[in-house]
Amino acid sequence: KAGVTQTPRYLIKTRGQQVTLSCSPISGHRSVSWYQQTPGQGLQFLFEYFSETQRNKGNFPGRFSGRQFSNSRSEMNVSTLELGDSALYLCASSLGLDGSYEQYFGPGTRLTVT
Amino acid sequence: AQKITQTQPGMFVQEKEAVTLDCTYDTSDPSYGLFWYKQPSSGEMIFLIYQGSYDQQNATEGRYSLNFQKARKSANLVISASQLGDSAMYFCAMREIDRGSTLGRLYFGRGTQLTVWP
Repeated sequence: KAGVTQTPRYLIKTRGQQVTLSCSPISGHRSVSWYQQTPGQGLQFLFEYFSETQRNKGNFPGRFSGRQFSNSRSEMNVSTLELGDSALYLCASSLGLDGSYEQYFGPGTRLTVT
Repeated sequence: AQKITQTQPGMFVQEKEAVTLDCTYDTSDPSYGLFWYKQPSSGEMIFLIYQGSYDQQNATEGRYSLNFQKARKSANLVISASQLGDSAMYFCAMREIDRGSTLGRLYFGRGTQLTVWP
């Protein structure tokens, strides 16, 4: 069974631009979560989607948004990029929202904002 | 307050020895799950082991075991017979099950960098 895939793996953008990151969950998984990882802040929860609905959101500005499609694939969008948005963005999928389900992570998208 | 605390920024262990990585957590939710992940320098988070709050026995997965002490809110990871390939960052995480407002969210600690030397 294929794992979680994320595209692109690496991205370089300039301040003010916008970016879209994509995540394909493990087949059969309906929950997709997004996390931002930086050396300073560690791993921070962005949001979680289940059945095309955002179920939970972390403390990030409105520039960060996402969506989930009917096939459970998810996209994350960051508008008006700032230098501080440079980070590793990790996507994770799980079977459901129940906390007993493991979350499996993708390889991440490393975003650099210049 | 920090949900997950990992007090060891770095740990060193010799190959074939066992090592314990510490993790304490904070929650008032009676139902929760505890997870350990490994993150090599490549960046991917690799799921290692899971312990449910109602599980009576400590979880084990191959060389990994979780020393779960519920009263102390402690969930330490034990790696037996360390290998050079175990060198990585290790994260402890928790997911609350019953708290609807944060359902699904994983809380992570700051991680412990493990170095295995020959």
